[in-house]
Amino acid sequence: GMPVEQNPPALSLYEGADSGLRCNFSTTMKSVQWFQQNHRGRLITLFYLAQGTKENGRLKSTFNSKERYSTLHIKDAQLEDSGTYFCAAEAGDKVVFGTGTRLQVSP
Amino acid sequence: NAGVIQTPRHKVTGKGQEATLWCEPISGHSAVFWYRQTIVQGLEFLTYFRNQAPIDDSGMPKERFSAQMPNQSHSTLKIQSTQPQDSAVYLCASSLTERLFFGHGTKLSVL
Repeated sequence: GMPVEQNPPALSLYEGADSGLRCNFSTTMKSVQWFQQNHRGRLITLFYLAQGTKENGRLKSTFNSKERYSTLHIKDAQLEDSGTYFCAAEAGDKVVFGTGTRLQVSP
Repeated sequence: NAGVIQTPRHKVTGKGQEATLWCEPISGHSAVFWYRQTIVQGLEFLTYFRNQAPIDDSGMPKERFSAQMPNQSHSTLKIQSTQPQDSAVYLCASSLTERLFFGHGTKLSVL
């Protein structure tokens, strides 16, 4: 199977809602990064984790290498959160991306 | 710090022509990665260099695609005899440790 499975593929939220994205890994990964791809296509780094949990404003991410998953939680969703979110995990010398979650936040 | 710089931002070529894409990594970063993004395939790894040496090109199509890193300040991705299926956004990233920093990408359109 795919080394990185990302869910859900698409997500629709109203402003103010909370939700989470998840990446499951087929093997033990060394680290994970989460990116937001904005409407212009630029990949913006949200988090880099080698383990544990990090928070930044309304975003929180957790990486559990032993259980082979990572999550990205969005709190109080805003219109500017719309975009496509990718996780990317370090597998050996290579970085493998998830298939992305397309998030649409509506008023 | 200007970040990773990719040029051109957009490139339109005719079928069969050659396309060369440029990437200037962040100064001091030892690794440079190339990815391709399409709606159908998503983000695909192509190749990467560490300290200018090619490490892994397992994602590169065997024909027509080549990548080089002649010095630490830039890398090129060359596509010979471009085909419509090569149309994609080509992304370059650099890193010092494991964290990747991406450029804006080059959108290649092959007509």
